Amino acid sequence: DGGITQSPKYLFRKEGQNVTLSCEQNLNHDAMYWYRQDPGQGLRLIYYSQIVNDFQKGDIAEGYSVSREKKESFPLTVTSAQKNPTAFYLCASKTTGSSEKLFFGSGTQLSVL
Amino acid sequence: AQSVTQPDIHITVSEGASLELRCNYSYGATPYLFWYVQSPGQGLQLLLKYFSGDTLVQGIKGFEAEFKRSQSSFNLRKPSVHWSDAAEYFCTSGGGADGLTFGKGTHLIIQP
Repeated sequence: DGGITQSPKYLFRKEGQNVTLSCEQNLNHDAMYWYRQDPGQGLRLIYYSQIVNDFQKGDIAEGYSVSREKKESFPLTVTSAQKNPTAFYLCASKTTGSSEKLFFGSGTQLSVL
Repeated sequence: AQSVTQPDIHITVSEGASLELRCNYSYGATPYLFWYVQSPGQGLQLLLKYFSGDTLVQGIKGFEAEFKRSQSSFNLRKPSVHWSDAAEYFCTSGGGADGLTFGKGTHLIIQP
């Protein structure tokens, strides 16, 4: 079945540590997105990528980094510069063109030890 | 810039009663509008979408929404809710390369 896979489902970070969240899709979508979800805040865009080897900052990119070396993969690194990383992280993808429907992964809950 | 407002943070409805979740958008042109549902600890699932044409759109799970340009609204409705409808509901707008603009969500609680 086609879809988006995020791993791990739960992740813990120690102070000063970088951690990487995985996002893989087999939908052949060009565009991929990372959102952060905090209670009562809705979803906020961290980074997005429209094509391989290119990505753009979203509204809250500080303290995060991404790469897009393959069409299927869009990993997100939460760096030590992100002082409040505890949140639920959602990856999404979509085709470009007239259909703007986003397909979402099942999310990663990141917590600080 | 686009914005989406969901004025109700929490809504409590009795099982079997009707439901309406409010959504207002701010966008210059006709926007793409969506409603997504999220169960706890899960990703988001698309309920329905509006691009153009008929202003009353039907979605999955018995949901519908009506686009009203004069009120800049896209309210979600269901005639009779089930306990399994308890979830977080997000109204979103889109149409650009940077994905969707999300409302802050409405938490739906179903009373037995």
